[in-house]
Amino acid sequence: DAGVIQSPRHEVTEMGQEVTLRCKPISGHDYLFWYRQTMMRGLELLIYFNNNVPIDDSGMPEDRFSAKMPNASFSTLKIQPSEPRDSAVYFCASSRQGRSNQPQHFGDGTRLSIL
Amino acid sequence: GIQVEQSPPDLILQEGANSTLRCNFSDSVNNLQWFHQNPWGQLINLFYIPSGTKQNGRLSATTVATERYSLLYISSSQTTDSGVYFCAVEPRGGYQKVTFGTGTKLQVIP
Repeated sequence: DAGVIQSPRHEVTEMGQEVTLRCKPISGHDYLFWYRQTMMRGLELLIYFNNNVPIDDSGMPEDRFSAKMPNASFSTLKIQPSEPRDSAVYFCASSRQGRSNQPQHFGDGTRLSIL
Repeated sequence: GIQVEQSPPDLILQEGANSTLRCNFSDSVNNLQWFHQNPWGQLINLFYIPSGTKQNGRLSATTVATERYSLLYISSSQTTDSGVYFCAVEPRGGYQKVTFGTGTKLQVIP
């Protein structure tokens, strides 16, 4: 089975540019999550979706960040305008809703560097 | 929100040694996962263990939900076990909203 697929794997861009990160969850999974990992703050949940609907975006740091899930097989995380402090590894994860809670499966992450 | 503390923060083991990693959490949880982040940054799901004990090869985990802690045991450690081990909890009433601990960085030396 294909896992969670993220693209790009690495992104280097200049401050002020728009950045778009992409994620394809595991087929059949109902939940999709975006996380950010930094040395200072560790792994943080930014936002998650259930059946393509955003459920909790309280972790999104600022209005510069936005996330969408137009269909069950695709999500984007956008940063506009980007700043050097946004440099981090961004992970996408998905899970399946069931009678009991299901584990989350992570993509390989996007390493973002804002110069 | 819920607090998740892991200990020790750093650990160096000789290859072949055993170790126990601990995860304490401050509130009731629906579930708990252990992850291994390898040196390439990939997060690998080790255990999904809201309670009880599970084993997978040289690794096992025990969660005592009533006492709010979980333990990860690594036996006969290998250099490939190096990396950071995270526990992540979903607080009760926060469906799927997972909080990660700060991790234990493990280095296994030959």
